[in-house]
Amino acid sequence: DIQMSQSPSALSAAVGDRVTITCRASQGIINYLGWFQQKPGKPPKYLIYGASSLQSGVPSRFKGSGSGTDFTLTISSLQPEDFATYYCQQYHSYPLTFGQGTKVDIK
Amino acid sequence: DVQLLESGGTLLRPGGSLRLSCAASGFTFSSHVMSWVRQAPGKGLEWVSSISDTGDNTFYADSLKGRFTISRDNSKNTLFLQMNSLRAEDTALYYCARNSWLSEKDFDYWGLGTLVTVSS
Repeated sequence: DIQMSQSPSALSAAVGDRVTITCRASQGIINYLGWFQQKPGKPPKYLIYGASSLQSGVPSRFKGSGSGTDFTLTISSLQPEDFATYYCQQYHSYPLTFGQGTKVDIK
Repeated sequence: DVQLLESGGTLLRPGGSLRLSCAASGFTFSSHVMSWVRQAPGKGLEWVSSISDTGDNTFYADSLKGRFTISRDNSKNTLFLQMNSLRAEDTALYYCARNSWLSEKDFDYWGLGTLVTVSS
């Protein structure tokens, strides 16, 4: 099974900050990597697929990068609505697996 | 608009069985792989199972050890999850998710979830 590891587990940031979240796969997954945003009491929202492609309607301040085993989600200028938990997910092969999540809260 | 509406969640005793349903609308259901993903209270996301567009192929998390069965009825645009021999650790919010047309293994739309609580 492919294990996904995110870091950090949590971070505090201010509005306007640049935020970077890292996701590492236990083996190469090419670019079969997605990023989700989840707010309390809501289902996950798909942000990025293929490691770097934005889903329709997702603001351009979200950027994904990486390939192979190391991936990054960057929020260029954090907005109030971005405070949430973020998950990566590999879809290279079954079983499909998620990272443990990164909670972004207000500094 | 894509809509996924889960139902069937409830409180039940360990060892019990339950069938979850997910009614889909707003897209061609029979053209998409569909999945169940769960989230235990205060925890992260865990993929449970996926089923191919025709229903011919199914995939499960290893941890389920044959206790869960995914199925679909394309004539009724409905996805199911039969859950047997339930344990306390199966307590979670169960989401129905549509797999993207492009890769078939990532999840582009999610329902609001249905809560399953297993407790004595």
